[in-house]
Amino acid sequence: DVKVTQSSRYLVKRTGEKVFLECVQDMDHENMFWYRQDPGLGLRLIYFSYDVKMKEKGDIPEGYSVSREKKERFSLILESASTNQTSMYLCASSLSNPPEQFFGPGTRLTVL
Amino acid sequence: AQRVTQPEKLLSVFKGAPVELKCNYSYSGSPELFWYVQYSRQRLQLLLRHISRESIKGFTADLNKGETSFHLKKPFAQEEDSAMYYCALSVSGAGSYQLTFGKGTKLSVIP
Repeated sequence: DVKVTQSSRYLVKRTGEKVFLECVQDMDHENMFWYRQDPGLGLRLIYFSYDVKMKEKGDIPEGYSVSREKKERFSLILESASTNQTSMYLCASSLSNPPEQFFGPGTRLTVL
Repeated sequence: AQRVTQPEKLLSVFKGAPVELKCNYSYSGSPELFWYVQYSRQRLQLLLRHISRESIKGFTADLNKGETSFHLKKPFAQEEDSAMYYCALSVSGAGSYQLTFGKGTKLSVIP
């Protein structure tokens, strides 16, 4: 069974703080993804990575950065958190083929 | 650019009634489509993919390239089917495959 874990289920931060969300997968998947999930907007891709140290912008990268130093770990960084970044953040991983993605449990981030 | 449309935000059906969750896509390439489901307080998980043509938990979905649709169907809804359902389209680019998701449909099965 593929396991994708995320460092926190719930996180509360203040505006302007630097926030790190971490994701680890244990199935040697080359691809990893960060999404945010908002009611009525579905899942929107923030960043993805198809190899160590490689990253690509998704649909809504503004205000975020990522880091992938090891194959199993993909971090999402909010350099200066803002209230409009309050959301559920989902991490996923996949092989290149098949492209089925496996998701973590999510981190609900609240920025006050 | 690719797009996935799920026209219904919320769908309520009675237990035992047929269910159809609609999904339409736009993509110039050869599509690979998925349905994902998220039960309350659980992680998002794959329900089925069109390539495998399998039936999971009584759900089926047929890819109709002429109508660019991938509707999810079940003949008799159960209460445990209540969940959020997302249709997703796989596209290739930038060294990997990505999924483009629809906005989701919340299915509520009324006892």
